[in-house]
Amino acid sequence: NAGVTQTPKFQVLKTGQSMTLQCAQDMNHEYMSWYRQDPGMGLRLIHYSVGAGITDQGEVPNGYNVSRSTTEDFPLRLLSAAPSQTSVYFCASTKGGIENSPLHFGNGTRLTVT
Amino acid sequence: GDSVTQMEGPVTLSEEAFLTINCTYTATGYPSLFWYVQYPGEGLQLLLKATKADDKGSNKGFEATYRKETTSFHLEKGSVQVSDSAVYFCALSSNTGRRALTFGSGTRLQVQP
Repeated sequence: NAGVTQTPKFQVLKTGQSMTLQCAQDMNHEYMSWYRQDPGMGLRLIHYSVGAGITDQGEVPNGYNVSRSTTEDFPLRLLSAAPSQTSVYFCASTKGGIENSPLHFGNGTRLTVT
Repeated sequence: GDSVTQMEGPVTLSEEAFLTINCTYTATGYPSLFWYVQYPGEGLQLLLKATKADDKGSNKGFEATYRKETTSFHLEKGSVQVSDSAVYFCALSSNTGRRALTFGSGTRLQVQP
């Protein structure tokens, strides 16, 4: 029972490089989301999706793109990495409404941009 | 907009001590309230929740009561263990607008044997 799987676990990028953070879930969850975690700031929502083909912006979407072509996968793309994007990134999913269903988190991707 | 304020950490306690981590919130409507816990090297996992005023959420000896009059959701445990050492996040889900949780900044708990 894999749950939410994020790859890679660690990544170092140079300013201006692009990359994709992968997220996959095997629980048939409709809702998927990306958060970033920064010291002293908790988790902030980047983008989310309520189903295949549907995405929307969160609190801090600038510099990130997402797509949702399948129920299982929700990749996060950094088009041109900046040092301000150094953070720990978490993917989370749930079935149904987040008011009543717990979010299932992956173990995170630690990204450093130099 | 919605916001969650938690006490700053780290909180350092001896084993079997009483724990309180304060959490207050600002939100429109009637939010659901949550406590999530993050163990080292892992993602967050739900610890407990409450969906309406005066509800008490409980799990693994932890409790929190949804107090609408004081807009608070303080986390308590009567006797902490070393294995409770983690970062604790208070969060809310507003029933209006964006489908997302708003998290507090987290409180690190360190329990010493």
